[in-house]
Amino acid sequence: SQTIHQWPATLVQPVGSPLSLECTVEGTSNPNLYWYRQAAGRGLQLLFYSVGIGQISSEVPQNLSASRPQDRQFILSSKKLLLSDSGFYLCAWSVPGLAASTDTQYFGPGTRLTVL
Amino acid sequence: KQEVTQIPAALSVPEGENLVLNCSFTDSAIYNLQWFRQDPGKGLTSLLLIQSSQREQTSGRLNASLDKSSGRSTLYIAASQPGDSATYLCAGLDQNFVFGPGTRLSVLP
Repeated sequence: SQTIHQWPATLVQPVGSPLSLECTVEGTSNPNLYWYRQAAGRGLQLLFYSVGIGQISSEVPQNLSASRPQDRQFILSSKKLLLSDSGFYLCAWSVPGLAASTDTQYFGPGTRLTVL
Repeated sequence: KQEVTQIPAALSVPEGENLVLNCSFTDSAIYNLQWFRQDPGKGLTSLLLIQSSQREQTSGRLNASLDKSSGRSTLYIAASQPGDSATYLCAGLDQNFVFGPGTRLSVLP
C-alpha cells in the first residue's frame, strides 16, 4: 500500500532562518506531488506541484521554493523565513496517467510551522 | 484517532436541483472544519472554512454547517450547475488535517 510521510510534524523557526520540509511517498512510482499551505484562518492554497523529477510548477509567487531530487521525494525550502510563512504545510500525491475523472490526491499528516 | 466519513460517495443530479453533502467526524475536538472542491487534474480549492466556535458559513450558493456535538457537517449547494461537478472533500483540523474520502458530484445539463 502507498504511504506518504512528512517531517517534521511541528517546527518553530526565527525570522530570517532557512527552512527545509521533506515529503516522501512509498509504494508508488512517478507520482504527481503537491505542496499546499494553510495560513491561520484561511483556506488551503496550492504552492507547488511536480509531475516528475526536476519538474516543478509554482502556483503563487512567494518566499518559498520546491525541489524534487528523487522520484518520490519532494522538498519545500526557504532561504530566509518571513513571519507570513507561518502556517500548516501539506504534501500530497496522486497517480498520474489515469482518466482525469479518477484523479484523487492523498495527503500527508502535515507540518505546522511557526515563524517567530 | 480522528476519522472522517462522507456520504454519499457519489451523487448525480439534474441541473437546478438543491443538494446536501454530508460529513461526519469522530472526535469533536477540532479547530475547524473545511470543505474543499477537487477538480480532475487540479489541486484542491478551499470552499468554506468553519471555525470550531461557528455554526455555519455561506458563500454564494454554498452553505456549510457545523454541529460539533453530533460530529457532523453538511454542505448545501443551491441551484446546482454543471460547473459544480467535482469531488467535494471535508477535512477536520485537530493536530493534523484529516480528510474524508470525498463525494463525487455530477450535475447533468
